[in-house]
Amino acid sequence: EVQLLESGGGLEQPGGSLRLSCAASGFTFSSHVINWVRQAPGKGLEWVSAISGSGGSIYYADSVKGRFTISRDNSKNTVYLEMNSLRAEDTAVYYCAKDRSSGDGMDVWGQGTTVTVSS
Amino acid sequence: DIQMTQSPSTLSASVGDRVTITCRASQNINSWLAWYQQNPGKAPKLLIYEASSLESGVPSRFSGSRSGTEFTLTISSLQPDDFATYYCQQYDSYSLTFGQGTKLEIK
Repeated sequence: EVQLLESGGGLEQPGGSLRLSCAASGFTFSSHVINWVRQAPGKGLEWVSAISGSGGSIYYADSVKGRFTISRDNSKNTVYLEMNSLRAEDTAVYYCAKDRSSGDGMDVWGQGTTVTVSS
Repeated sequence: DIQMTQSPSTLSASVGDRVTITCRASQNINSWLAWYQQNPGKAPKLLIYEASSLESGVPSRFSGSRSGTEFTLTISSLQPDDFATYYCQQYDSYSLTFGQGTKLEIK
């Protein structure tokens, strides 16, 4: 079964850091772009970051550029999102999602992990 | 960044109705558009990719079309499971962007 499983969410103070993980199974991990998409409480979907299969191409939304870092370890079938200088507006459910093929829509999503930034 | 303007934000309809949701891109994105369905507390589900291609396993009552920079998602005959929130998303270029969402409610 094709599956993505996020972990690492929690409560963090403003200015703090968290590292999210997205563990994949059931597909050729190194062949697919993985995205992070977040959803603030009661709000719509916001794309956060993406990393190519090799890790050689990386993209960020302007709202997180310079604060968040995406990476992947293809030997562990895992993508990471290192989040620094957290702000209240980063509070959201964070989903990882796999590209269908060559950036053709996101066809597999994890269940999400909740990040709350509050003092 | 490419802006995606989705309408309406809320749509009230009945089981059996035909409904259409529209998404307009701020610039040409060719057919690089996807539609998703999201139920409360759940992850989004891919319905349509490349503007009009139906994802495997998605019922054929869902369809997508494109006219220039305007895209539509049509549900031909609403079923009870279809009452959810729908999002469009462009993948022509990074930053990827989603529409604001359309909540489909039972009338």
